[in-house]
Amino acid sequence: QVQLQQSGPGLVKPSETLSLACTVSSGSVNSYYWTWIRQSPGKGLEWLGYIYYSRSTYYNSSLKSRVTMSLDTSKNQFSLSLTSVTAADTAVYYCATVATTRGYSYFDFWGPGILVTVSS
Amino acid sequence: DIQMTQSPSSLSASVGDRVTMTCRASQSINKYLNWYQQKPGKAPKLLIYIASTLQSGVPSRFSGSGSGTDFTLTISSLQPEDFATYYCQQSYSTPQITFGGGTKVEIK
Repeated sequence: QVQLQQSGPGLVKPSETLSLACTVSSGSVNSYYWTWIRQSPGKGLEWLGYIYYSRSTYYNSSLKSRVTMSLDTSKNQFSLSLTSVTAADTAVYYCATVATTRGYSYFDFWGPGILVTVSS
Repeated sequence: DIQMTQSPSSLSASVGDRVTMTCRASQSINKYLNWYQQKPGKAPKLLIYIASTLQSGVPSRFSGSGSGTDFTLTISSLQPEDFATYYCQQSYSTPQITFGGGTKVEIK
């Protein structure tokens, strides 16, 4: 089964860019759809966007102007970039695989999550 | 965006109890509904997809039902390891995905 390992800084300054990576093992980044989800402290889950193996991307409309997702096939990883961060972007960020069955999609494998705090 | 509303937001139950929680969509989503379990400090875990299909490895005491706007997750006999928060998620409006606010199952 696919395993995901997340990396990136745990502290980002306000107005700067948050950058996280998710490295795929036991699978190829060219073979699946991928997603990022975050969870603010004590809150629920917020979907951030998809990136497909074709490199097509779809973003949450509430973040669309600030978020970018990309694939790096040489490292077998996919990445999240979120610009102009504020304290409201403090959250645990998860990467996950997107499985599809008969047109239905769901998130079947998740990374462990990484807490990113936005603070000066 | 499709809004997902879960109820109750929390419940207290004892080991062995039958537990039911609901998820309501703001418009019909057919069976594009998934359920996840999340324990403190851990990533969510997929329990059920397409409203009622049990993910591989998930105990059969978990079941899901519903279609359209109203969905239910049932735990037939609550076990100590089931105390967690449960989230529903719609994929009808893929790629615009939304989650419910969660139901926290606590020990009575």
